[in-house]
Amino acid sequence: NAGVMQNPRHLVRRRGQEARLRCSPMKGHSHVYWYRQLPEEGLKFMVYLQKENIIDESGMPKERFSAEFPKEGPSILRIQQVVRGDSAAYFCASSRTTGSVETQYFGPGTRLLVL
Amino acid sequence: GENVEQHPSTLSVQEGDSAVIKCTYSDSASNYFPWYKQELGKRPQLIIDIRSNVGEKKDQRIAVTLNKTAKHFSLHITETQPEDSAVYFCAGQEVQGAQKLVFGQGTRLTINP
Repeated sequence: NAGVMQNPRHLVRRRGQEARLRCSPMKGHSHVYWYRQLPEEGLKFMVYLQKENIIDESGMPKERFSAEFPKEGPSILRIQQVVRGDSAAYFCASSRTTGSVETQYFGPGTRLLVL
Repeated sequence: GENVEQHPSTLSVQEGDSAVIKCTYSDSASNYFPWYKQELGKRPQLIIDIRSNVGEKKDQRIAVTLNKTAKHFSLHITETQPEDSAVYFCAGQEVQGAQKLVFGQGTRLTINP
């Protein structure tokens, strides 16, 4: 049973470029969470999505950041016009449901470096 | 919303000794508290979790205790080994809305041989 998949694992961008991060949840999981981890810090919630719906984006910056989880294919976190402060590890996690307590399983992360 | 505080931020123990990491939370409605271990450059891995209907849970050398009244929970690692060295994060899960995890700041645990 494949775990949560993320790609790319490492991404280098110059300031002003776009970054696209992809996340495929575990089989049978329909809920995706994105978290950001700055160097030497904990994980901070960004956005929660179900298929074709953004449920909660309260942790995501209002400008330059967007997320989607289409009916087919992986969830994508998109960062436009990246700045150095966007350099971080971006983790996605998936769970089966949220009707009751459900464990979130994390992917390997994408480490974004903005030059 | 939920707020989780974790301490200490760093912890160094001798191999074979026990390590204890403590967390407090603010939302009395929270009912799920996982602990994740993160090695350098790796993903957070769930090592143990506890639900609010129990006070303690144990898995081999790892145990977690929960005090709902005081709103704090702790991770206990006994007979520590060098491979226990990592950053440990506690989290509380919000019961409203997205039920997102709110993480503590992390504890860097070093096991000295």
